[in-house]
Amino acid sequence: EAGVVQSPRYKIIEKKQPVAFWCNPISGHNTLYWYRQNLGQGPELLIRYENEEAVDDSQLPKDRFSAERLKGVDSTLKIQPAELGDSAVYLCASSSMTKETGYTFGSGTRLTVV
Amino acid sequence: DQQVKQNSPSLSVQEGRISILNCDYTNSMFDYFLWYKKYPAEGPTFLISISSIKDKNEDGRFTVFLNKSAKHLSLHIVPSQPGDSAVYFCAASAGGGSQGNLIFGKGTKLSVKP
Repeated sequence: EAGVVQSPRYKIIEKKQPVAFWCNPISGHNTLYWYRQNLGQGPELLIRYENEEAVDDSQLPKDRFSAERLKGVDSTLKIQPAELGDSAVYLCASSSMTKETGYTFGSGTRLTVV
Repeated sequence: DQQVKQNSPSLSVQEGRISILNCDYTNSMFDYFLWYKKYPAEGPTFLISISSIKDKNEDGRFTVFLNKSAKHLSLHIVPSQPGDSAVYFCAASAGGGSQGNLIFGKGTKLSVKP
């Protein structure tokens, strides 16, 4: 099966600019997650979707971050405006309730805010 | 406060020997634990998991041990191979099994020397 696809792989923007990341999960996976990984840290959950519903967005900084998952498939994560501290790798993952093999992560988008 | 702790940032092992990676947790509500492996510029990939009702799970060269009373788990790799060189993340969830919101440790970088 094709993996979780994320784009772009790398993004460099100036602070205060907007940025968006895109994720295409594995076909049939109803659960989609966005994680953020800062340098030297483990990934931290930002938001979790069950189909098109955001079931846990408690860790999403809602003043500047937004996310959507239209039709319960692809998802976008947006930051507006970006701050220097947003520099990190943004990871998308998906999972199926029928599998006990953990999430499948994408390769991530490395964001650098200058 | 970190709920999942990997206190060794790095570990170096000779090829053919055993690698032991350790993980401690503080939240007694965690009932499912996973290990992920991460190569540079790639997303984490699922390696092995264990439910809190077990104390050991084995998959080929990889074995995870869980000591609930000590809130400690470890990953054993025997024999270690150069291709095992990567960052290993311990993760835990409370109530969601392998699909739950995962709390990750900071990771341990394993280097296997030929």
